[in-house]
Amino acid sequence: NAGVTQTPKFRVLKTGQSMTLLCAQDMNHEYMYWYRQDPGMGLRLIHYSVGEGTTAKGEVPDGYNVSRLKKQNFLLGLESAAPSQTSVYFCASSYGGPGGASSYEQYFGPGTRLTVT
Amino acid sequence: AQTVTQSQPEMSVQEAETVTLSCTYDTSESDYYLFWYKQPPSRQMILVIRQEAYKQQNATENRFSVNFQKAAKSFSLKISDSQLGDAAMYFCAYRAGANSKLTFGKGITLSVRP
Repeated sequence: NAGVTQTPKFRVLKTGQSMTLLCAQDMNHEYMYWYRQDPGMGLRLIHYSVGEGTTAKGEVPDGYNVSRLKKQNFLLGLESAAPSQTSVYFCASSYGGPGGASSYEQYFGPGTRLTVT
Repeated sequence: AQTVTQSQPEMSVQEAETVTLSCTYDTSESDYYLFWYKQPPSRQMILVIRQEAYKQQNATENRFSVNFQKAAKSFSLKISDSQLGDAAMYFCAYRAGANSKLTFGKGITLSVRP
């Protein structure tokens, strides 16, 4: 199993350009998440999904859109990139079923470093 | 809203010694879970240890253990016999029982001196 994969690993954008980050998981997880990591800020939740076809806003959703058309994929879109969106982006997934702490354990992808100039 | 606070941005420990990383949290929930994640230079997030709030016994995973003080809302991580491979950023995280979202602290950078 590959676990959680992210594409691309690095990207440089100019202000105003658009792009889509792809997250894929092969663990048949229901829940998927997008975080951003900035120095001194920890990880902050952008958007998340509790199942195919559903999405919800997290702590810092402005400037981003997401889609979950297939259970295994969760896409993060930037319609008009801004320098404030320079960050490392992490995708994660979790089972989400009954079973307590272990069923909600989040498995993380390797991250995407995005620079907006 | 729940908050997680890691007040120490950096710590250093001598190889083979013990170090404790601090974390406090604020919540009005009674059912919740706490986690420590390790992020080495590779950037990969690795779950180190978890603690269920309803359990009085502190969690232990090999050289890693926690000191969970529920009344004080404190959740510290103790690393025994520190190794060079323990050098990383460590994040404390909180999750309410029925809610799968994680709230992270700002992290602490741990360096290990040979």
